Amino acid sequence: AQSVTQLGSHVSVSEGALVLLRCNYSSSVPPYLFWYVQYPNQGLQLLLKYTTGATLVKGINGFEAEFKKSETSFHLTKPSAHMSDAAEYFCAVFNNAGNMLTFGGGTRLMVKP
Amino acid sequence: ETGVTQTPRHLVMGMTNKKSLKCEQHLGHNAMYWYKQSAKKPLELMFVYNFKEQTENNSVPSRFSPECPNSSHLFLHLHTLQPEDSALYLCASSLGLTSGGRTAGELFFGEGSRLTVL
Repeated sequence: AQSVTQLGSHVSVSEGALVLLRCNYSSSVPPYLFWYVQYPNQGLQLLLKYTTGATLVKGINGFEAEFKKSETSFHLTKPSAHMSDAAEYFCAVFNNAGNMLTFGGGTRLMVKP
Repeated sequence: ETGVTQTPRHLVMGMTNKKSLKCEQHLGHNAMYWYKQSAKKPLELMFVYNFKEQTENNSVPSRFSPECPNSSHLFLHLHTLQPEDSALYLCASSLGLTSGGRTAGELFFGEGSRLTVL
């Protein structure tokens, strides 16, 4: 079985501040890990993913995430928040054994001017 | 243009109505999904189709009836719904459940159909 835990359902940062959204996973086999973003009144879109290779992956809009196997984590970061980053962010884990994508509960990011 | 189009975007229906949600993908994918997104609850996978065959029914009540006539189209037929079924219904597609490799787990979502049951 696999699961995803996102710590903090709401995160608020000031414009220009560091963004850190936390994600921990459990998986019985090496996972593929994803971050999806959902802007208001839209569906989800892929932000970045880790499959194999380099553990630091870069995505769209300046976001990046680091896969840390020892910590079973895949936290999402961005050095400087922009107002347009306000959205809900979902971490997800996939493994070939189940052929299924399991989502975390989501973290709503608010950016203050 | 996301490549996955859902209609209608908004739907209000009474508990005795019958309506359908439609999803169409223009990406050449072979797998399609229905998800339910309710306020304050995690995304719930409802159904999965791979090459038009249903591979997953996540204990969804029978008042939700999916239909996948081909790999590009997916419907969700609704009848005798309850107010707690009010939610955003998201359709997604992927290359295929057995595509493996770099595309595994990569889903493309539509913008959703917001359903309100009165």
